Amino acid sequence: GAGVSQSPSNKVTEKGKDVELRCDPISGHTALYWYRQRLGQGLEFLIYFQGNSAPDKSGLPSDRFSAERTGESVSTLTIQRTQQEDSAVYLCASSFSVFSTYEQYFGPGTRLTVT
Amino acid sequence: AQTVTQSQPEMSVQEAETVTLSCTYDTSENNYYLFWYKQPPSRQMILVIRQEAYKQQNATENRFSVNFQKAAKSFSLKISDSQLGDTAMYFCASTLQGAQKLVFGQGTRLTINP
Repeated sequence: GAGVSQSPSNKVTEKGKDVELRCDPISGHTALYWYRQRLGQGLEFLIYFQGNSAPDKSGLPSDRFSAERTGESVSTLTIQRTQQEDSAVYLCASSFSVFSTYEQYFGPGTRLTVT
Repeated sequence: AQTVTQSQPEMSVQEAETVTLSCTYDTSENNYYLFWYKQPPSRQMILVIRQEAYKQQNATENRFSVNFQKAAKSFSLKISDSQLGDTAMYFCASTLQGAQKLVFGQGTRLTINP
């Protein structure tokens, strides 16, 4: 079956503009995660969704970052008033459940460049 | 808080050799999970191997095995008979039992030379 997909693959934007990044999880996966990967670094947790429960937003770096998910489907990560420090690869992952026994499957990421 | 440390930014070996990637972690919890992920140039993160902290036996997946030393909080990855396709970034990660987010190390860039 299809894996996790993300769009766009690459995004170049000017400082101060808003951007939306999209993630399509694997069908049937109730948990969805967003991570950020700065150049040469490991992944930083941003936010996760589990079904209709309130999301865990503890990793969002500022109030310019927000994310939505409708039910168990597509999620969008929005960055408002982008800054050069937001340049990174944004990775989405999904899993059958949030319980750590279940593997997280990652998408190919969106490379965001803020000029 | 959990932390994961990978002290080898880059490694390089010849094809067919064995290579070991190091990882240490810190947690005050007793129940947790440890992972090694591979990230090739395509950026796709691929799970290589996982270890449950309550299991004493080291996990093995074909050419990949781990040396899990719980007391030392060490979790190294051994790749036997390395292949050109093993060239990638390798990330060590951990998560607490019942938790949701993965905590990653900085990564090790592994190059397999022909």
